[in-house]
Amino acid sequence: NAGVTQTPKFRVLKTGQSMTLLCAQDMNHEYMYWYRQDPGMGLRLIHYSVGEGTTAKGEVPDGYNVSRLKKQNFLLGLESAAPSQTSVYFCASSYGEVYEQYFGPGTRLTVT
Amino acid sequence: GENVEQHPSTLSVQEGDSAVIKCTYSDSASNYFPWYKQELGKRPQLIIDIRSNVGEKKDQRIAVTLNKTAKHFSLHITETQPEDSAVYFCAASTHTNAGKSTFGDGTTLTVKP
Repeated sequence: NAGVTQTPKFRVLKTGQSMTLLCAQDMNHEYMYWYRQDPGMGLRLIHYSVGEGTTAKGEVPDGYNVSRLKKQNFLLGLESAAPSQTSVYFCASSYGEVYEQYFGPGTRLTVT
Repeated sequence: GENVEQHPSTLSVQEGDSAVIKCTYSDSASNYFPWYKQELGKRPQLIIDIRSNVGEKKDQRIAVTLNKTAKHFSLHITETQPEDSAVYFCAASTHTNAGKSTFGDGTTLTVKP
């Protein structure tokens, strides 16, 4: 039981490049979330999904897109990376609306 | 939307002392309040949570109290140990908001041996 996994673990992008972060969970959770974590600012919600085929905007969605084609996977895309998107990105999943969130190990992204 | 404020932002205690971290929230509909611990370079992990129908919950050296009237909840760690050193996040969520949790900005706890 791997829980929540994320790929890649580290990535360096140049301004304007694109990339996709992959999150996978094997707990059959309906809810999945993408957060970014910046120093001193806690976890801020980017996008989330309440089930396969659904996505919704969180607190800081600009510059990001997501897709949930399969229940176990939640993809986060950056179409044109900017230095302001340098951050640590965490994916999380949850059994239901008010239950514990299980986090992935994080992806450290640097945009130069 | 929900707003969660967490205090203090840093906390330093001697080993064996108690530590208390406090959070306030704004949405009276919030009914689930988890606390996560994040060690340096690691992922956040749940250490304790409380639901709105309970005023206090305890798990060994960790306890959480909830005051729904005042809209605040607190994490209490007793007999602190160096391995308790980490960043602690509180959060608040409600079933009416698709389970979205609003997190506090975190408290960096340092336990000095």
